Amino acid sequence: QVQLQESGPGLVKPSETLSLTCTVSGYSSDYYWGWIRQPPGKGLEWIGNLYHSGTYYNPSLKSRVTISVDVSQNQFFLEVRSVTAADTAVYYCANWNMGAYNFDFWGPGTLVTVSS
Amino acid sequence: QSVLTQPPSVSGAPGQRVTISCTGSSSNIGAGYDVHWYQQLPGTAPKLLIYGNNNRPSGVPDRISGSKSGTSASLAITGLQAEDEADYYCQSYDSSLSGSDVVFGGGTKLTVL
Repeated sequence: QVQLQESGPGLVKPSETLSLTCTVSGYSSDYYWGWIRQPPGKGLEWIGNLYHSGTYYNPSLKSRVTISVDVSQNQFFLEVRSVTAADTAVYYCANWNMGAYNFDFWGPGTLVTVSS
Repeated sequence: QSVLTQPPSVSGAPGQRVTISCTGSSSNIGAGYDVHWYQQLPGTAPKLLIYGNNNRPSGVPDRISGSKSGTSASLAITGLQAEDEADYYCQSYDSSLSGSDVVFGGGTKLTVL
């Protein structure tokens, strides 16, 4: 079974870059990955997915987001640039099931607060 | 505003049956994309509950089921238990001008009375 764990700073200043790492274990090279976030007290928002063919982002975030991978380290990454208070959320990484088009397993999530 | 519409809340007494609807459009559910459901217990990450409209991952009891028709889908829970109290989210795929995007419903809070 795939296991995922998010890590990164819990506090980011406005206008700076939010950077998170997802460390994965128990996966195969056929897996794909994604990031989802959840503002406090609100619903889930898809950020983007990473496939062998490239990355795909939520159109509302595309201009500020980059997802990348380091296969040798079993890690993939999220960057959100020029953050504001609206980017305060619990950020989840998850594995994307390319056959069924759903997220199979999720990390526990990490809260990132944007504040000066 | 979410692309997929869910009722903000539903409730039921122990042992009863509840359903949660997920309404989309011709660019997502109505376009033939599957619907998936996630359960989020308080303070925890979402967990896959139903995939491919009506399939249960290993470990999900058969009193939980899903269905899809036209531009909508539903999650049904029978024999309601206290442990079912959680937030539930539907998820599908949406074809837009920018490509195909993952979309979630706004979530439904299930209260067991």
